Amino acid sequence: GPKVLQIPSHQIIDMGQMVTLNCDPVSNHLYFYWYKQILGQQMEFLVNFYNGKVMEKSKLFKDQFSVERPDGSYFTLKIQPTALEDSAVYFCASSPGQSGNTLYFGEGSRLIVV
Amino acid sequence: GDSVTQTEGLVTLTEGLPVMLNCTYQSTYSPFLFWYVQHLNEAPKLLLKSFTDNKRPEHQGFHATLHKSSSSFHLQKSSAQLSDSALYYCALRTGNTGKLIFGLGTTLQVQP
Repeated sequence: GPKVLQIPSHQIIDMGQMVTLNCDPVSNHLYFYWYKQILGQQMEFLVNFYNGKVMEKSKLFKDQFSVERPDGSYFTLKIQPTALEDSAVYFCASSPGQSGNTLYFGEGSRLIVV
Repeated sequence: GDSVTQTEGLVTLTEGLPVMLNCTYQSTYSPFLFWYVQHLNEAPKLLLKSFTDNKRPEHQGFHATLHKSSSSFHLQKSSAQLSDSALYYCALRTGNTGKLIFGLGTTLQVQP
């Protein structure tokens, strides 16, 4: 089936440094999402993105977070600077449309901030 | 606000017994519900989703019925298999941006 690829799968980073998480969505999909999952907790919505713009973001999407998809390449989540509480698994998802459409998820990028 | 509540934690079953994982929701909008399944070290994958015409979705022996009167979308299967062992998420589509709200997830462990 359709696959969403995420790079890196794991990353350890020093607090205060910048990190970029990359997502290669399904090729004909137009809507992109990031979710955050802290160990033992539920997946929580961060942001969604369409036509080059953020459509909606949650309270978890702090000012230090940003997303972009330059020239149809990777859909990226950048955190600058990172904080200890950013340690989590970040899932990228994409969908062809909105109403009733399935979100296809990647396997997640595990970020550890030390 | 919008939310999803699932059977919490771990459900352990013997192979061949019926499965029922509970999911209830609160939704501001007309609800679309989804069940995702995640096997270890894999991406969450869609198992099934509700239909607007109230048809009962089925996949891999699993089914779920959206009951708006009780705000529920419980996942059921008549006979558990060892390969069903995984983490199951119930999710609610809310608003008009395609965003999903997930429950905490239920781990199903099927034993021989």
